[in-house]
Amino acid sequence: GIQVEQSPPDLILQEGANSTLRCNFSDSVNNLQWFHQNPWGQLINLFYIPSGTKQNGRLSATTVATERYSLLYISSSQTTDSGVYFCAVGGAGNNRKLIWGLGTSLAVNP
Amino acid sequence: DTGVSQNPRHKITKRGQNVTFRCDPISEHNRLYWYRQTLGQGPEFLTYFQNEAQLEKSRLLSDRFSAERPKGSFSTLEIQRTEQGDSAMYLCASSFPLLEQFFGPGTRLTVL
Repeated sequence: GIQVEQSPPDLILQEGANSTLRCNFSDSVNNLQWFHQNPWGQLINLFYIPSGTKQNGRLSATTVATERYSLLYISSSQTTDSGVYFCAVGGAGNNRKLIWGLGTSLAVNP
Repeated sequence: DTGVSQNPRHKITKRGQNVTFRCDPISEHNRLYWYRQTLGQGPEFLTYFQNEAQLEKSRLLSDRFSAERPKGSFSTLEIQRTEQGDSAMYLCASSFPLLEQFFGPGTRLTVL
């Protein structure tokens, strides 16, 4: 099955810094989502981005499907950005399930 | 759009007891998914419904686990004879018509 690798596993930033999170996947996908999991466990949708580039405020994401990777950019980080960021992919065809990476744990210090 | 809801939010039970969780998807979504997440891991797929039909089940879903979606709306996940290894966050998601999945707040199960 599809393998998903996220890097770095842990990241510590000072408030105001920028960061890039990476997601590599091992096969063609028809779904790729980025999530932020808050301390209470809620998964918050950031981007649905099987290909291309999207931006939402201080966050942006790019997926290069042909090279099997996606990047999540966080600019001007805030303490509220802390938490775990997950990349999840869905394989091509009728398979609807999401395969998840282990996440990047981000701590933003004031 | 009130989002995906799950009940209960927390459940503490003793080993050997049966538990049932409920998921109410976003109203117009016909696809519903269950995942399980243990500490330090990403969620793992358990099962998937399209309307009332259960189309895929993971090998993680042992004989003690059963999921239903009888009218194509809400879904229940039952665990029989719970074991300590069943302790986890159980997450429900829904989607339609795009593939993008939206998640509920989860049910955190602790088996003593």
